[in-house]
Formats: sequence, structure tokens, C-alpha cells
Amino acid sequence: KQEVTQIPAALSVPEGENLVLNCSFTDSAIYNLQWFRQDPGKGLTSLLLIQSSQREQTSGRLNASLDKSSGRSTLYIAASQPGDSATYLCAVKANYGQNFVFGPGTRLSVLP
Amino acid sequence: EAGVAQSPRYKIIEKRQSVAFWCNPISGHATLYWYQQILGQGPKLLIQFQNNGVVDDSQLPKDRFSAERLKGVDSTLKIQPAKLEDSAVYLCASSSLTGELFFGEGSRLTVL
Repeated sequence: KQEVTQIPAALSVPEGENLVLNCSFTDSAIYNLQWFRQDPGKGLTSLLLIQSSQREQTSGRLNASLDKSSGRSTLYIAASQPGDSATYLCAVKANYGQNFVFGPGTRLSVLP
Repeated sequence: EAGVAQSPRYKIIEKRQSVAFWCNPISGHATLYWYQQILGQGPKLLIQFQNNGVVDDSQLPKDRFSAERLKGVDSTLKIQPAKLEDSAVYLCASSSLTGELFFGEGSRLTVL
């Protein structure tokens, strides 16, 4: 059974810092991995989707990497801004047609 | 392109009452998911539909929860009778052919 963990549970950084969020999964046989952002009281917003054949994806100041052999993904946020404050969740999908298993999230606070 | 639509956004009921949530996925998305998210945790799958068929309902408490997607488009999730522990956000999501997951804003349920 796939299990997803995210460390740290919470992170506070000053504005302008580069930071890395971690996601670990127990079963390396995944179809894809997706990073989401969730603001308080809101649904989840898709940030990046990495297919199993890919090593990384980039969107603006965000870069997500995938290392299936070690069961890890990282989300790199460059030049953090207060607007980046949110909870970041990763989710993995075992096979096409199956459901996603979510991590508990990392709550990020970027201080002005 | 319209996103995933959910209603109502908020619902407060007393225990043992019933409640229903509605979801309309992104047009053309064959796969629809209902997730339950308890505060501080990642979403947990309740049920997954492929068109109007159930793919996975292994974690749906079938003694009180039911869901349908009769015409393979919109879906309804019902809880009857509700318990205190059902207080959560109910998230609907749909996925594209690439497997990317898109969420609605969620329906927040409070059971008193």
C-alpha cells in the first residue's frame, strides 16, 4: 500500500529565500506525481505534474523533481514571496486509472 | 475553460440529519473523484468514477455514504445519517487524459 509523507509539517522563512519542500513515497512504481497548493478554506490548485518518465518540471519560480528509485520528490520555490504562503501537498498515482494518494502537506509561511 | 463546480460551499446540520453535495466536473473529463479532507490532513479518497461506473469505493462508509453519477457527467454525494466525525471538507476532482487532477472549491460540512 502506497504511503506518502511530507517533511517538514510546517516551515517559516523570510521573504526572498529559496526553499525546498520534500515528498517521500514508499512504492516507487508510480504513474505520475502532482504538486498542489491549498489556501485556507479553498480547494487544491494544481502546480506541477511530473510523469513517471520525467525527472523534473518547471513553472515560473517553481521546479519539481522526481527520483523514483529513492521514492522522493522535491518542490523548489525560488525567491519566495508572502503570496506563496499556503499548504503544499504532493500526491502520487500508482497506475493510469487509479486514484491519487496524498501526503499530509507542508504549511509554508513566508514572512515579509 | 470552466473548472470543477461544487455546491453548496458550506453546510451545517445536526447529527443524524442527511446532506447532499453536488459536483460538475470539467467538460470532457471521464474520471471523477470524491475526497474527504479533515483539517490538517491530506485528502482521502471516498469514491472514484470512470464515466458512470464505480472504479474504487473501498474507503466509502457504505452504511451512511452513497454517491452516484448517473449520466457520466455530474455527481452527487449523500450522507445519511450524519455523524459528528463526518465534519470535514468534501472535495470533488476530475482528471484529464494526461492524468492531471483538478479540484473544485470544496463543500465544508459541520455536523453539530
